[in-house]
Amino acid sequence: SQTIHQWPATLVQPVGSPLSLECTVEGTSNPNLYWYRQAAGRGLQLLFYSVGIGQISSEVPQNLSASRPQDRQFILSSKKLLLSDSGFYLCAWSVGGVPYGYTFGSGTRLTVV
Amino acid sequence: RKEVEQDPGPFNVPEGATVAFNCTYSNSASQSFFWYRQDCRKEPKLLMSVYSSGNEDGRFTAQLNRASQYISLLIRDSKLSDSATYLCAVSFDMRFGAGTRLTVKP
Repeated sequence: SQTIHQWPATLVQPVGSPLSLECTVEGTSNPNLYWYRQAAGRGLQLLFYSVGIGQISSEVPQNLSASRPQDRQFILSSKKLLLSDSGFYLCAWSVGGVPYGYTFGSGTRLTVV
Repeated sequence: RKEVEQDPGPFNVPEGATVAFNCTYSNSASQSFFWYRQDCRKEPKLLMSVYSSGNEDGRFTAQLNRASQYISLLIRDSKLSDSATYLCAVSFDMRFGAGTRLTVKP
């Protein structure tokens, strides 16, 4: 069966510090991968998606970046965090071209202080 | 206009009530639709897909109206455990609605 792992679960980082969140998927090949952010009391905002290794599409211009160094690994990064980067970051995967919906990781709750 | 919009909520209903949520989408080319449930401080989990002919899963019924570009979720005989935020998703755009919060009270 397919599983998605996301870590860390909770993170408190100072303004201006770097960020690296990792997401890995097991049990499938060539998944579509997504990064979403959910601000407190808000909906899910799509940040990045990837349909293959090295292929990244950005939805919202900001100081975040994403990379996909391996088929089932998706990384969200920032060189310098802002207070507004605080939120609940969710990685998700789906089977490309097949409308089975998305499966989410357990999320990382980031607080920038 | 937002690409995916939901009833603002919150919905506060007594146990046993029937409650319905709507979700409108703007992209008429959208093909896949879903309802997710999100518990407080947890990740969203797929509740059910929405098929063109409508579909039912126990107390939950999902329907699609392509002409008016909306999907709906009906929950019958509400349980306390149904309390959560319900998000709609439109697969073509990878967009989610902001969610509708449901609280079922004894």
